[in-house]
Amino acid sequence: DADVTQTPRNRITKTGKRIMLECSQTKGHDRMYWYRQDPGLGLRLIYYSFDVKDINKGEISDGYSVSRQAQAKFSLSLESAIPNQTALYFCATSDSRLARTGELFFGEGSRLTVL
Amino acid sequence: KNQVEQSPQSLIILEGKNCTLQCNYTVSPFSNLRWYKQDTGRGPVSLTIMTFSENTKSNGRYTATLDADTKQSSLHITASQLSDSASYICVVSVNTGGFKTIFGAGTRLFVKA
Repeated sequence: DADVTQTPRNRITKTGKRIMLECSQTKGHDRMYWYRQDPGLGLRLIYYSFDVKDINKGEISDGYSVSRQAQAKFSLSLESAIPNQTALYFCATSDSRLARTGELFFGEGSRLTVL
Repeated sequence: KNQVEQSPQSLIILEGKNCTLQCNYTVSPFSNLRWYKQDTGRGPVSLTIMTFSENTKSNGRYTATLDADTKQSSLHITASQLSDSASYICVVSVNTGGFKTIFGAGTRLFVKA
């Protein structure tokens, strides 16, 4: 089983619908992140969380919200999906004890299409 | 502005050949630079990490170099294999005491038989 699991892996939805992408990890890491990947662009940070009660906006948080339900779970919500939110979404984790190295461990990705 | 630029955007090589991918960054203050490999349909996986004082690091057939003076890094792949077909992403971390990581757009490598 993958250490960082994302569900669903693929989702097609319509404009205006609410969508939740879920991420769970078995790595025991305290830090979790949501990124978005678009063709020709680098991964962009949406939100990140350093602990269960900690939520921080990334560079492109508008239109998204997150919930850190437990150390191992971090979900991303699109309250009212729009077509330009069509993208590949990645959840990632890291260990604060290794913060200086900065290694991120990614899930397999969730491909979201908004029609 | 903190930026990471990679070249070429894409590259096609024959199996067994070598290739070099480039990464230029304008990130300050610099903490470290990582190269990630992203297979199609998968998440990125770290290949190497380089800190300010390191200028070469190898991981099997992958060798990364770093020139902190010119703010350039390269990833050299030796004796390419079909399984090397992937995107290679250069990622630079900023040493601000907080969290800031800048991703390049990646180089898409195709290895042909």
